[in-house]
Amino acid sequence: GAGVSQTPSNKVTEKGKYVELRCDPISGHTALYWYRQSLGQGPEFLIYFQGTGAADDSGLPNDRFFAVRPEGSVSTLKIQRTERGDSAVYLCASSLGQPSGANVLTFGAGSRLTVL
Amino acid sequence: GENVEQHPSTLSVQEGDSAVIKCTYSDSASNYFPWYKQELGKRPQLIIDIRSNVGEKKDQRIAVTLNKTAKHFSLHITETQPEDSAVYFCAASSRNTGNQFYFGTGTSLTVIP
Repeated sequence: GAGVSQTPSNKVTEKGKYVELRCDPISGHTALYWYRQSLGQGPEFLIYFQGTGAADDSGLPNDRFFAVRPEGSVSTLKIQRTERGDSAVYLCASSLGQPSGANVLTFGAGSRLTVL
Repeated sequence: GENVEQHPSTLSVQEGDSAVIKCTYSDSASNYFPWYKQELGKRPQLIIDIRSNVGEKKDQRIAVTLNKTAKHFSLHITETQPEDSAVYFCAASSRNTGNQFYFGTGTSLTVIP
């Protein structure tokens, strides 16, 4: 697509529920990133995919968080047993992922998650 | 890993004045430094970037300078306008860390008409 698309734009759920957030990157972008942003803070790294594999998942806060990218395009961030502290805007970004580096990162509009 | 620090956290300037935001980084292997502007409720948008093989880059009213020796880079906005009001984030990236991006904590810029 022309840009990075994220759905849903807003999600309100109850504590303990399961949530899935979807990201459709720019066509041809091999690298895909998930960030979490709380109010007044910078993007906090969660996980980064190069193709289908997770190149770096060191930012996932605990085992309730999991992400997949089975065909190297669309990615889904999955959060189990949601907690109120999970409330944030979840940003997805993509880049060409060229090994030479200096890849421009383009963000989606984010999915705002509110856990009641 | 890389650590990016950004200052100031808030900045208010009169319309027409200049604004400067500074970032430092720790990993000497970092070679790409983008700046993002984020308006309230919107996505971060790339406004300018610089690669480690140059010391300065300018695009109309905005410019970025890079000092690799001191490991710091700065965003300069001249002739500020009210529409420049937003949160600005710096970031650093290195192919040595798998093209990972590390962000500063942001600067909230307010341009007073």
